[in-house]
Amino acid sequence: DIQMTQSPSILSASVGDRVTITCRASQNINSWLAWYQLKPGKAPKLLISKASTLETGVPSRFSGSGSGTEFTLTISSLQPDDFASYHCQQYRINPWAFGQGTRVEVK
Amino acid sequence: QLQLQESGPGLVAPSETLSLTCTVSGESLINDGFFWDWIRQPPGKGLEWIGSIFHRGVTYYNPSFASRVSISVDPSKNQFSLRLTSVTAADTAVYYCALTPAVPRGRYDSWGQGTMVAVSS
Repeated sequence: DIQMTQSPSILSASVGDRVTITCRASQNINSWLAWYQLKPGKAPKLLISKASTLETGVPSRFSGSGSGTEFTLTISSLQPDDFASYHCQQYRINPWAFGQGTRVEVK
Repeated sequence: QLQLQESGPGLVAPSETLSLTCTVSGESLINDGFFWDWIRQPPGKGLEWIGSIFHRGVTYYNPSFASRVSISVDPSKNQFSLRLTSVTAADTAVYYCALTPAVPRGRYDSWGQGTMVAVSS
């Protein structure tokens, strides 16, 4: 099975900061990677698919990059609504696997 | 507008069976373009894919659940359900239902809000 490793687990940041989260796959997943935003009590939200495709309605401050085994999610200027947890997921090979998540908290 | 809503008991006794239902509105479960999945997140841990069903009865399960899991669909009610047997404290989690396109399968376009299930006596 493919393992997904995210770093950092917790990221402390301020509004306006540039934030980068890294996700590594244990084997090549090409670009079959998605990023989700999770908030307590809310439905998770798909932000990015195919490693770098921004979903409709997602602010352009979010971007994704990478292929193969190394991927990043970047928030160019952190906004108050962005304090949440972020999770990567590979969907190249079943069973689909998620990273352990990165919690973005107020510094 | 597509909505998914999980429902079921919030507390299950150890060794018993966890049963949850996902009610879908705004999309038909018999749409050939989608699979319907269950995903969970134990406290303090990452998300974990449980399994998937197509309305024609085709299912895929995460091997880590072995033979404990089954997913079924009721097109007449536009619902699909999760059944997890012989639960332990390790099955305590927020359980989500979600929609994934048939191609490419595995990308979750829409999710329910999740329901917390605690396994405890």
